[in-house]
Parts: sequence; C-alpha cells; structure tokens
Amino acid sequence: GENVEQHPSTLSVQEGDSAVIKCTYSDSASNYFPWYKQELGKRPQLIIDIRSNVGEKKDQRIAVTLNKTAKHFSLHITETQPEDSAVYFCAATHSRLSGTYKYIFGTGTRLKVLA
Amino acid sequence: DTEVTQTPKHLVMGMTNKKSLKCEQHMGHRAMYWYKQKAKKPPELMFVYSYEKLSINESVPSRFSPECPNSSLLNLHLHALQPEDSALYLCASSQDSPSGRYPTYEQYFGPGTRLTVT
Repeated sequence: GENVEQHPSTLSVQEGDSAVIKCTYSDSASNYFPWYKQELGKRPQLIIDIRSNVGEKKDQRIAVTLNKTAKHFSLHITETQPEDSAVYFCAATHSRLSGTYKYIFGTGTRLKVLA
Repeated sequence: DTEVTQTPKHLVMGMTNKKSLKCEQHMGHRAMYWYKQKAKKPPELMFVYSYEKLSINESVPSRFSPECPNSSLLNLHLHALQPEDSALYLCASSQDSPSGRYPTYEQYFGPGTRLTVT
C-alpha cells in the first residue's frame, strides 16, 4: 500500500544548530506535503506545507524542499531553539478513485534541542 | 475563528459503557475527520466526512460509530470498547470540494480527547 518513510526517528541537536528531517513517499500522484509539529500532550499543528508545483518554501527559520523525481521532501530548521523540541510528522496526500484525498503520515521524528 | 474544539478532554469508560465524543468547528470547512493516535505514533485515520456524508471508513470496527449532524459538528459514538481502544482521539477539519477534484487543504486538528477504556 501507499506509505511515507520518515528519518530519523530521533534527532538531538545543540541549540543554534540546524536540524533536517527527511521523508520519502511512494504515491507519485501525491501533490500536497504538510509538516506537523506535536508537543507532548498537545494537538498536531501545521508548521509548513508545500505543493507539488513548488520545489522549496521558506518561513523564517523553517524551510521545506521537495524533489518530485526522487519522491522525497525534507524539513529544515535553522538556529534551533529549545522550544523546537517536539515530535514532527510529515505527510503526503493520497488520492483515491472516489476523488477524496487523505493524508499518509510518516512515523514521526522526536527532535530534542539541547540547551 | 480558526479553531477546532473537542469535548470532553478526558474520558474514562468501562467496556460496557456507551459514550460520545464531540467535535466542532466554525471555519466553514466541509470536510471533517476522526483520527486515533497511540503514544509515539502518527495519527491514524478512522473516518472522513465530506459535505456531511461519510466518504471514508478505514475499516473501523462497528463499536465506533461516526455521525455528522451538520456542517459544524462531528460526533463519534463509542460502545463496547476494548482496552486496546485507549488512545488520543483527534478531530480535524479542512476545506474540500464536493467532487474531491482539488487537493484537500491543510487540516486543522482539535486538542483531542484522551480516552481510557477500563
């Protein structure tokens, strides 16, 4: 079936360093790729997304890149801060014959920013 | 209002109980979702409603029964649950088109209901 692989499962970085999380998707028809941040006990919150007609998108310290040929996309966080510590999930849209779309989530990356 | 609300925040129920989870949004979104999330795992899709009609049921056991009374409300009725059903239940909403021709817009999640089945 359709799936999204996410690596690494855990990532520890020093405050101020950069963090990169990578996802690979299998459905070549996927055309929307959101990233969610989930703090302990809280809801997933959308932090950035990218559509298939764009190769890169940036929002302050966060950026996402998409390589459609290789079917992978990455989250880049620069100048990491302790409050960036959370679990990050990538997702890819999965189209269905009925026309309804749903998300296929990656397995998550636990990011720890060490002060 | 860009928020999805869920009640209750916490729920403890026995295996013979009947309870309901509620979700509400006032963003004019026409697609609403129920997810189940276990600890350290991604959200797992259960149901999708599009324009108040059930469009996706991910082979969820019948002890979970969704209901969409109107475009702003989504319920999940629970009956005869098992301890392994204990999890965080998340509701989400997004814009959608009736024919599903366009990519689903970003999904906004509610805070979830922490369910414990004893």
